[in-house]
Amino acid sequence: DAGITQSPRHKVTETGTPVTLRCHQTENHRYMYWYRQDPGHGLRLIHYSYGVKDTDKGEVSDGYSVSRSKTEDFLLTLESATSSQTSVYFCAIGGTGENSPLHFGNGTRLTVT
Amino acid sequence: GQNIDQPTEMTATEGAIVQINCTYQTSGFNGLFWYQQHAGEAPTFLSYNVLDGLEEKGRFSSFLSRSKGYSYLLLKELQMKDSASYLCAVGDTGRRALTFGSGTRLQVQP
Repeated sequence: DAGITQSPRHKVTETGTPVTLRCHQTENHRYMYWYRQDPGHGLRLIHYSYGVKDTDKGEVSDGYSVSRSKTEDFLLTLESATSSQTSVYFCAIGGTGENSPLHFGNGTRLTVT
Repeated sequence: GQNIDQPTEMTATEGAIVQINCTYQTSGFNGLFWYQQHAGEAPTFLSYNVLDGLEEKGRFSSFLSRSKGYSYLLLKELQMKDSASYLCAVGDTGRRALTFGSGTRLQVQP
């Protein structure tokens, strides 16, 4: 394992409620990423971080915010969950080199009812 | 932006060879990655190509042609455990992020 822990692993929430997903790494990697995976769409980048307090948007960032106050933790927040945000969320960490592969956590399955 | 295409589903027989193709159009290329993902699990890294040619790693090989925007993953001596989704991804400069295709679901039959 690449030392990535996502929590919670499963969550059911109601429309309109805030939700925070956590990604914790023990590898001291600078780059961290949040992806969502939906049938027919593959993995899509939500937000990424290139250092503490340094974050930027991906292709599907609307409705999501992130924070990174420590190297090891990257938080994804849904301010007001919607049914379209029902998905599997994967956190990933980047390698030390520019061409290093990403390594993924085990995912969080989020259902918004 | 990036556009990545790969077949949605493929079926093959145990012991056989299967080739999964991937074509891409990209504004900034920084390598072609292949991942394997079993149902309900996280994607795991299989292979990486940044230069043209074939990279071999045991039963798995991956090929890249940058001029054609084309890659394939070759799986030899298929085993039942190879039934999974195979994800093609392109790296971009700067973000070090990957853009993924929708994945190819491979079913290996006895």
